[in-house]
Amino acid sequence: SQQGEEDPQALSIQEGENATMNCSYKTSINNLQWYRQNSGRGLVHLILIRSNEREKHSGRLRVTLDTSKKSSSLLITASRAADTASYFCATDALAGGTSYGKLTFGQGTILTVHP
Amino acid sequence: NAGVTQTPKFRVLKTGQSMTLLCAQDMNHEYMYWYRQDPGMGLRLIHYSVGEGTTAKGEVPDGYNVSRLKKQNFLLGLESAAPSQTSVYFCASSYSITGENTEAFFGQGTRLTVV
Repeated sequence: SQQGEEDPQALSIQEGENATMNCSYKTSINNLQWYRQNSGRGLVHLILIRSNEREKHSGRLRVTLDTSKKSSSLLITASRAADTASYFCATDALAGGTSYGKLTFGQGTILTVHP
Repeated sequence: NAGVTQTPKFRVLKTGQSMTLLCAQDMNHEYMYWYRQDPGMGLRLIHYSVGEGTTAKGEVPDGYNVSRLKKQNFLLGLESAAPSQTSVYFCASSYSITGENTEAFFGQGTRLTVV
């Protein structure tokens, strides 16, 4: 079963614009992570936000977490053509014990940034 | 620093054949994972390991076996390949499941086609 659902499935913007992707999940979590995947490549970790945090920044990335709504958003500011990729949210679920870092992924958002 | 290395990168199997995918990490990570990625479904956890000599089932373990004889290696075996196992397989590792270093590092993937 898919823990995370991402919205939108695809996003097309112009260079310099901001990109916002949303993620919803179903169960309580230890943390939520965002990953990036370039076409045909492995996933690269972008940012992690813990369940007791509400907002986190890393460079041009801003992540928010609302545990009451079981949702998160990833904002990429001043996007560049090089940001074109698929973006996935992944949750480390709180399941009555140690999750051992097992991640449950959403289906991803395909971001295209036009030069 | 190679990180997480998967071999092979591509493979075509006939139905009923067997094969082993190798994952090697040089970061001295305790935790290792095998995921499969299918179109439109994100990544799903097949098996994972919390240390040398240990393995456990993930979300979609049927048809796969794993072994972790050495800390740096995590092998995924397909005993009798089926077309439903056509997918891209990713190995990942993480240093910790608590604290700061909980993000997963991914290999570049193995694209497997079963005909």
